[in-house]
Amino acid sequence: DGGITQSPKYLFRKEGQNVTLSCEQNLNHDAMYWYRQDPGQGLRLIYYSQIVNDFQKGDIAEGYSVSREKKESFPLTVTSAQKNPTAFYLCASRQRTGINYGYTFGSGTRLTVV
Amino acid sequence: GDSVTQMEGPVTLSEEAFLTINCTYTATGYPSLFWYVQYPGEGLQLLLKATKADDKGSNKGFEATYRKETTSFHLEKGSVQVSDSAVYFCALEDYGGSQGNLIFGKGTKLSVKP
Repeated sequence: DGGITQSPKYLFRKEGQNVTLSCEQNLNHDAMYWYRQDPGQGLRLIYYSQIVNDFQKGDIAEGYSVSREKKESFPLTVTSAQKNPTAFYLCASRQRTGINYGYTFGSGTRLTVV
Repeated sequence: GDSVTQMEGPVTLSEEAFLTINCTYTATGYPSLFWYVQYPGEGLQLLLKATKADDKGSNKGFEATYRKETTSFHLEKGSVQVSDSAVYFCALEDYGGSQGNLIFGKGTKLSVKP
């Protein structure tokens, strides 16, 4: 079955370390997204990519970086510059056209700074 | 810019009670509107959507009607079950104002007691 896979499900990071969250999709979707979820804050857009080798900053991109070298993959790196990285991170992809257009979400990665 | 406002939770109901979760929006274009549901520890699942004014989205007993005159998309269910306990997010997609990215409300946590 097609879908989005995020790994790992839980991730612990020491202060000052960079960590990379994986997001892979086999839906053949062009667009991919990273959201951050904090309690009571809803979902906030970090980065998005509409085609391979291109990506744009979302509302809270500071302290994060991404790459989009393959259509299927959109990894997110949380850098040491991100001052409060503890959160639940959700990846999504989207089919932009056709009658079944819409977003598909992964099951998330919970990042905790220790 | 575009925004979504939904009622604050948590909402606690008894099984078989009637549910309403209010959602209003501001948008510069002609948005599509969505309700997503998030079960504990999981990603988001699309519950229902409406793409133009007066459309009614429905799924699993939930309904919401796109009201342009009141800029609202309230979620309703006639008889909730314990299994409906989750966090519900209202969202919009507006190519005119937000480049087609999803804008989310802050979420409403629903707890249904037996």
